[in-house]
Amino acid sequence: DIQMTQSPSSLSASVGDRVTITCRASQNIDNYLSWYQQKPGRAPKLLIFAASNLQSGVPSRFSGSGSGTDFTLTISSLQPEDFASYYCQQSYSTPNNFGQGTRLEIK
Amino acid sequence: QVQLVESGGGLVKPGESLRLSCAASGFSFSYYSMNWIRQAPGKGLEWVAHITASGYDRYYADSVKGRFTISRDNAKNSLFLQVNTLRADDTAVYYCARDHLEGDVVTGALDCWGQGTLVAVSS
Repeated sequence: DIQMTQSPSSLSASVGDRVTITCRASQNIDNYLSWYQQKPGRAPKLLIFAASNLQSGVPSRFSGSGSGTDFTLTISSLQPEDFASYYCQQSYSTPNNFGQGTRLEIK
Repeated sequence: QVQLVESGGGLVKPGESLRLSCAASGFSFSYYSMNWIRQAPGKGLEWVAHITASGYDRYYADSVKGRFTISRDNAKNSLFLQVNTLRADDTAVYYCARDHLEGDVVTGALDCWGQGTLVAVSS
């Protein structure tokens, strides 16, 4: 099975900050990597698919990059509504494991 | 609009069974592969099962293999998860989610999620 490791597990930041979350796969997954945002009590929301493609309707301050084993999600200028948990997921092979999540909190 | 609505969760005792349902609307259900994902209280997301659009191919997480069965009824726009021999560590919110298509290409992402149904296993 492919293991996904996110870092950091939690992060404190301020409105307007630039934030980067990383996700590492235990083996090559090409670009089969997605990023999700989840707010408390809500279902996850797709942000990025195929490592770097912005899902329709998602603000352009979100971006993704990487290929192979190392990936990043960047939020260029944090907005109040961005404080949430973020998860990566690989879809290269089943089980399509998620990373353990990154909780983004207000500083 | 595109919508997924789960139902069938509840409080059960260890060893008991449930059948979770997911009603789809607003899109051509029979064209899409579907998934179940769960989230234990206060924990992260766990992929549980996947079924192809035709229903022919099915895949499971090791933690549920042999106990859970994913199925679908394309005529009724419905996805199911039969959960048997439930254990305390199966306690979670169970989400159904749709595979993302970019044109005709399956990207592997999950672009539409239901609101979830809670399964609680306790004696």
